[in-house]
Order: sequence, then structure tokens, then C-alpha cells
Amino acid sequence: GENVEQHPSTLSVQEGDSAVIKCTYSDSASNYFPWYKQELGKRPQLIIDIRSNVGEKKDQRIAVTLNKTAKHFSLHITETQPEDSAVYFCAAIPGSGNTGKLIFGQGTTLQVKP
Amino acid sequence: EPEVTQTPSHQVTQMGQEVILRCVPISNHLYFYWYRQILGQKVEFLVSFYNNEISEKSEIFDDQFSVERPDGSNFTLKIRSTKLEDSAMYFCASSVGTEKYFGPGTRLTVT
Repeated sequence: GENVEQHPSTLSVQEGDSAVIKCTYSDSASNYFPWYKQELGKRPQLIIDIRSNVGEKKDQRIAVTLNKTAKHFSLHITETQPEDSAVYFCAAIPGSGNTGKLIFGQGTTLQVKP
Repeated sequence: EPEVTQTPSHQVTQMGQEVILRCVPISNHLYFYWYRQILGQKVEFLVSFYNNEISEKSEIFDDQFSVERPDGSNFTLKIRSTKLEDSAMYFCASSVGTEKYFGPGTRLTVT
């Protein structure tokens, strides 16, 4: 069935280091992959997304890479800061459409130590 | 910047009672969703709604759940007879296409 797996479940880095979170998805027809940041008790916030017609997308300190052949995508955060500490969720929309439900990964708790 | 809003922020109810969670999606959005998140777990899809009807629902969304768009702005989730396991954060989301924007959530506590 539709599934998104995310690793690691927790990640602790020193301020200034890079952080990488990886996800795999099961539906080869999927073509939209967003990343959400969720601070404690808050809503998930869309931070970056990638569509299957590109392999990489950057927005300042964050980047996402996509390997459609291997069905995995990754979030890269460079020069981490304490305010990056949060839970990060990857997601995918099953099927080839763009308006369907999101299937979320299990989440990664990122702790950036000052 | 427009945001999805939800009320109430926290709802406490007794098992067996009905609850209605309310959402006001972003005004030009066409697709509406409900998700839930049990404490410490991932966000799970419940239902999607488009053109005044359900477009997809998950196994979680059984006969105890219903959704409605009673007017041009509100989108509601009703749970007819709440169970302890319905305790979770319920998020409404809306989109005009691909990007989905989430509301702040309603924390439902069933006692």
C-alpha cells in the first residue's frame, strides 16, 4: 500500500553542522514531495517541496534532493541554528495527481545544540 | 498572509458525546482536508473534500465521522459518538492545488 518511511527518528547536531533526513516512498507514480516543520504544539508548516521533474531544489539553508529511480528523497539543512530544532515530516501524494491526500513519514526530531 | 483557522483550540468531551470541530480554509482554496495526529505520532489523513463532496477517505474515517461545508467559508468535522482513542490533535488543511496549508489544530481530549 501507500507508505512513506523516514529516518532517522531523532537527530542531534551541533549548531553550524549540517543535518540530513531521508525518506523513501512506495508509490512510483508519486510526483510531489513536501517537507513540513512542526514546532511543539504548532501546525505543520510547509518549508520546501519538490516535484518529480527536478532532482534538487534549494531555498537558502535548506535543500531537497529526489531520486525517482530509487524512490527516495532527502532534506538537507546546512549551518543549523537552534531555531531549526523541531520535528520534520516528509510526505508524498500517492498517484500521479497533485490534489490528493498527503501520506506522511513518521517524523524526525531534530535537536540543534548551541 | 492568509491562514487556515480552526476552533476551538482545545475541546474536552466525555466518551459517547458528539463533537464538531470547525475550520475556516483559505478563501480561494478549493480542496479541504482533515488530518489527525495522536500525541507523538505522525500526521494521518482522514478525509478530503472537493466540490461539496468527499473525494477520498481513510480507514479511520468510519461511520462515526462526517464532514460538511455548511456555508461558503466553514468546513466542519463531526464525530458522533467519541471514543477514548479519538483523543488527538485534529488539523484542517486546504489547498488550491498541490501545496497544502494546515490550520493550528484542535486538541480533542476524550475522557
